Amino acid sequence: LAKTTQPISMDSYEGQEVNITCSHNNIATNDYITWYQQFPSQGPRFIIQGYKTKVTNEVASLFIPADRKSSTLSLPRVSLSDTAVYYCLVGGPNQGGKLIFGQGTELSVKP
Amino acid sequence: DAGVIQSPRHEVTEMGQEVTLRCKPISGHDYLFWYRQTMMRGLELLIYFNNNVPIDDSGMPEDRFSAKMPNASFSTLKIQPSEPRDSAVYFCASSPGDFATDTQYFGPGTRLTVL
Repeated sequence: LAKTTQPISMDSYEGQEVNITCSHNNIATNDYITWYQQFPSQGPRFIIQGYKTKVTNEVASLFIPADRKSSTLSLPRVSLSDTAVYYCLVGGPNQGGKLIFGQGTELSVKP
Repeated sequence: DAGVIQSPRHEVTEMGQEVTLRCKPISGHDYLFWYRQTMMRGLELLIYFNNNVPIDDSGMPEDRFSAKMPNASFSTLKIQPSEPRDSAVYFCASSPGDFATDTQYFGPGTRLTVL
């Protein structure tokens, strides 16, 4: 399973764009990149998933360079309610649904 | 659908007692996962099932822990005997399919405190 590395914590202010980068140097050809969000006292929640280039949904964008050894989660115009821990995960069909969560990035949004 | 349902939401027990955590996955989901979260170790996968069959229990810490899935709509995680170091939040999650194409839906968790 590919190991991921991401910053332990980040601070931001309301209205700013936040970019969280995740390193996954050993990503396999069949692996997808997935981000989850966890609020205090809740279970993780899926945010976005991608394989290459760029993916955008109503919550975030995911940028993946051509070599796929890293990825960047972009949160546009964050609000206080975006304060959470964000996890980057890498995996593919050959692991049968198993997710390995790293330490995550604790994002703190200030007014 | 109501989402993944876990019970109880909070459990306080004394060392040596048996603890049973319960989970009802989302209907139609073929995968069920049990996780444990602590400040020290983060979010750890304990065991997961596919179509009610345990696939990987390598994350189960020791023989005191056991998990069952008697049918597609119910699973239990049992700790016997419980110890203070088992104190954690236990999450159950379900997924319709493989990681690559399907997301996992987490329940609200059970906060376990072993005194």
